[in-house]
Order: sequence, then C-alpha cells, then structure tokens
Amino acid sequence: AQTVTQSQPEMSVQEAETVTLSCTYDTSESNYYLFWYKQPPSRQMILVIRQEAYKQQNATENRFSVNFQKAAKSFSLKISDSQLGDTAMYFCAFGGSNYKLTFGKGTLLTVNP
Amino acid sequence: DAGVTQSPTHLIKTRGQHVTLRCSPISGHKSVSWYQQVLGQGPQFIFQYYEKEERGRGNFPDRFSARQFPNYSSELNVNALLLGDSALYLCASSLEGLYSNQPQHFGDGTRLSIL
Repeated sequence: AQTVTQSQPEMSVQEAETVTLSCTYDTSESNYYLFWYKQPPSRQMILVIRQEAYKQQNATENRFSVNFQKAAKSFSLKISDSQLGDTAMYFCAFGGSNYKLTFGKGTLLTVNP
Repeated sequence: DAGVTQSPTHLIKTRGQHVTLRCSPISGHKSVSWYQQVLGQGPQFIFQYYEKEERGRGNFPDRFSARQFPNYSSELNVNALLLGDSALYLCASSLEGLYSNQPQHFGDGTRLSIL
C-alpha cells in the first residue's frame, strides 16, 4: 500500500518570500502521478500542480514548482513570491494503478503580510 | 462551465439514520470518486466509479455504498450512521479513471454532522 508523509503540520512565510513544503511517499510502483492540492477555508480542493513519475523534468505552474526526486521518493512544492491568497492547507497526493488518490495529512501554510 | 456540484452543502443526522449524498460531475467527465475527510486529516478514498461500474473501493465498511447513473452523476449512501461518520464528504470527477493524463477535480463537499 502506498503512503504519503507530510512532516510539516504548519508553516508560515512572509508575503513575497519563497517557501518549500515537503512530501515523501512510499510505493513499489514505477508508473504513477504525484499531485499538490490546495484547500482554502472555503474547503474546495484545488489542483495546484502535478508530476508524472516517468518525466524527469520538474513541473512548474507560474509561481509553483516541484522538486521531484524519484529515487529518494521525495516531492516538494516551492511557492515563489508568496501571496496572501496562498494561505491554505496543502495536501500532497499519490495516484497509482489502483484508481485512487492517497493523501498526506496536510501542511497548513499561513502567508503573513 | 460548471464545476463538480455536490448536494446538500450541510447535513445533520442522528446515529442510526441513513443519508444520501449527491454529486454531479463536470460535463463530459465519466469518472466519479468519493472521499471522506475527517477534521484535521487528508481525504480518504471511499469509491471510484467509471461508466457506471465500480472500479475501486477503499477500506470502508459495507454501510457505505454508491452508484453512478447513466448521466454520470453519483450518489453515496451511508446506512446506520455512527458518530465517527461525521466528516466532509468530497466528490471528484475526471474524464477517465485516474490512470490517465486527466486530473481529478473536486466539489465543495458535503459537511455531514452526526448527533
């Protein structure tokens, strides 16, 4: 069974600064997808970024980028130029061959003015 | 285009009762998944349906059941409600199953409280 670990329950960052959220996972599969989802207080889960395991190039989406280390089973999220609207719970998720997403426990990110 | 819609938004039930939660996927999406999110935790997978057939089931008791209709909407049913069933229930849709290039899009969820 896959497991996803987010070791930082809470983090804070000043507006305009850069922050990195950590995620590690465990799997025996070779083909899979990794995701970062954002859940603001409004509670809708919003896809931030995704990475296919077979792609060596790290995914980027505007201010969001990942550092995918397949051998180390690490998938961190970097948020550049943090904005107040980035304040939310961030979940790392694993998607493999069994049609489900396995989520970590989340990291509460607070962006301070 | 409308996103994933779930109803009701909030629901209060008592122990032993039955509940039905509803989900309409994004137009054109054929796969629907259900997740339970207990306060302070990440979502836990309950079911996935694709083309009206169950493709996956999480580690939940038989009190939980679901189905998908010809228009790809879905219902989640929970019988004999327990206090521990209190949670946010999330529905997600995708064009196909997860093992494709299509991500899952989530609705706002149904907040279920058991008294």
